[in-house]
Amino acid sequence: NAGVTQTPKFQVLKTGQSMTLQCAQDMNHEYMSWYRQDPGMGLRLIHYSVGAGITDQGEVPNGYNVSRSTTEDFPLRLLSAAPSQTSVYFCASSTWTGGIGNTIYFGEGSWLTVV
Amino acid sequence: GENVEQHPSTLSVQEGDSAVIKCTYSDSASNYFPWYKQELGKRPQLIIDIRSNVGEKKDQRIAVTLNKTAKHFSLHITETQPEDSAVYFCAASKGGAAGNKLTFGGGTRVLVKP
Repeated sequence: NAGVTQTPKFQVLKTGQSMTLQCAQDMNHEYMSWYRQDPGMGLRLIHYSVGAGITDQGEVPNGYNVSRSTTEDFPLRLLSAAPSQTSVYFCASSTWTGGIGNTIYFGEGSWLTVV
Repeated sequence: GENVEQHPSTLSVQEGDSAVIKCTYSDSASNYFPWYKQELGKRPQLIIDIRSNVGEKKDQRIAVTLNKTAKHFSLHITETQPEDSAVYFCAASKGGAAGNKLTFGGGTRVLVKP
């Protein structure tokens, strides 16, 4: 049981390049999401998904695309990288077992630098 | 949307003293309030959470209180130790079927001096 796995861990991109951050979870969680964390700040929600085939925008979605073709995977695509997208990206997953609140599991993060 | 404010941004305490971090939220529909500890270069780690049907929760040296009327919640760390030094984040969400849409506070950098 690996939990939430993100790849790559580190990446340097040139402005204008595109790339995909991979996220996979093996806990059969229906909820997955992507956050970014800029230096000295809290995490901000980019996109989220409540199940396969269903995605929606979070607080800071511009410049990013997502898709959810399977329960396990939730890749984040940077269409045309910009220096403002230099950040640490965290993928997260959770399940709802009824009641209030879901315990959310974070991946280890992906450090992205756009030059 | 939800807005979470966290204070103070930095907190320096002597080992053995208590530390208190306060957060306020704006959306009265929020019902799930986790606290995360993040060490340098690591992922956020859940240390405690509280749900809207509870006013207080304690886990060893850590406690959290929630005041729904005032829309604020607080983290209390007693008998602080050097390994408590880290950045702490509060967050709020509607939880349940809303999934994992967390709104985070700006973080508190805690330094415990030996």
